[in-house]
Amino acid sequence: ETGVTQSPTHLIKTRGQQVTLRCSSQSGHNTVSWYQQALGQGPQFIFQYYREEENGRGNFPPRFSGLQFPNYSSELNVNALELDDSALYLCASSRRMGYFTEAFFGQGTRLTVV
Amino acid sequence: EDKVVQSPLSLVVHEGDTVTLNCSYEVTNFRSLLWYKQEKKAPTFLFMLTSSGIEKKSGRLSSILDKKELFSILNITATQTGDSAVYLCAFVIIIQGAQKLVFGQGTRLTINP
Repeated sequence: ETGVTQSPTHLIKTRGQQVTLRCSSQSGHNTVSWYQQALGQGPQFIFQYYREEENGRGNFPPRFSGLQFPNYSSELNVNALELDDSALYLCASSRRMGYFTEAFFGQGTRLTVV
Repeated sequence: EDKVVQSPLSLVVHEGDTVTLNCSYEVTNFRSLLWYKQEKKAPTFLFMLTSSGIEKKSGRLSSILDKKELFSILNITATQTGDSAVYLCAFVIIIQGAQKLVFGQGTRLTINP
């Protein structure tokens, strides 16, 4: 089990609402990435946070936004929820160095939009 | 656009069989290839490969990357029911300074007793 924790584990929201998902990174890790995994698909990169700034974004609209806090934990916010936003949202923490270090994933938040 | 295709999408075998999972790609300028096992929610890290032709081994699992033919394989020998999971391959690429993982769609492996 990794030291990455996500909350909540499950969530049901209505179309048009807003949602905030939370991620605590593993000790010693300063980078958090968020991924969306639709049923039967591989995870898709949403964005990454390093030193409290977004530095890299996938093909997701601006209604997907995030934050990183001084303790390296992070939030993913999604506004104006759509049915297609129903998915497993995973965060991954890693330690940025001059080379890639493995990313550890949290258990995910299962979001259902009805 | 970067593309990662895993095959087969689904595989059912008996305990003790050997399986080979494939990951083919059209990805430019990747740093590494990773394999993950996803049982319920969190993908768990298995291997990282950076060089072509070098086999990585961990117990019954092994993997190799072929940068010339643009594929990687994950082998599992003497399979056990605990190996049942979705196996994901992912490429590490740099986008706007961020290290991003580009995943395949996964292979769902089921091991029957």
